[in-house]
Amino acid sequence: ETGVTQSPTHLIKTRGQQVTLRCSSQSGHNTVSWYQQALGQGPQFIFQYYREEENGRGNFPPRFSGLQFPNYSSELNVNALELDDSALYLCASSPGSGSYGYTFGSGTRLTVV
Amino acid sequence: GEDVEQSLFLSVREGDSSVINCTYTDSSSTYLYWYKQEPGAGLQLLTYIFSNMDMKQDQRLTVLLNKKDKHLSLRIADTQTGDSAIYFCAPEAEANAGKSTFGDGTTLTVKP
Repeated sequence: ETGVTQSPTHLIKTRGQQVTLRCSSQSGHNTVSWYQQALGQGPQFIFQYYREEENGRGNFPPRFSGLQFPNYSSELNVNALELDDSALYLCASSPGSGSYGYTFGSGTRLTVV
Repeated sequence: GEDVEQSLFLSVREGDSSVINCTYTDSSSTYLYWYKQEPGAGLQLLTYIFSNMDMKQDQRLTVLLNKKDKHLSLRIADTQTGDSAIYFCAPEAEANAGKSTFGDGTTLTVKP
């Protein structure tokens, strides 16, 4: 079985630009959570998608948005990038919306300059 | 909301035991996970314990839970250099499944 894959692995954007990050969930997993991990800190929950619907959101502004597709892959979009958005963005999938422990991808390292 | 606290650093000698501690605030936490993060990588689920358990052993890993004090610990026996990483505990209430609150992690350094 394949794990969680994220793309791209690294990217650099300019302040004010928009970015889309992608996540392919593990086979059979219909739930995807996104996290932001700033350098030296633990991951912070952004939002979760379950069967293509948003299923909870953390304390992030509306310029952070997401999508989940029928094949359960997911996108994280960030508009009007700020310098503080520089972080490792992690995607995690699970086989259901309950507590099963999540399989994490290796993340996308975003640098905003 | 949940607050999670961990000591930031732990250094041990190879072959010794390591104990990583975690305190949390949400008494409704039902599932308590431990994740490992190696440099430049995502998080790897190491083990977990349910809130109705006091202890769980999984090979070299032992998890202890003191639900009354909201204290969780991870013991790694016979610590190896490959165990050097950042360790995160993530308590989770059933209502917040997959929306974990993480502390800032404990960086474990294993010296040969």
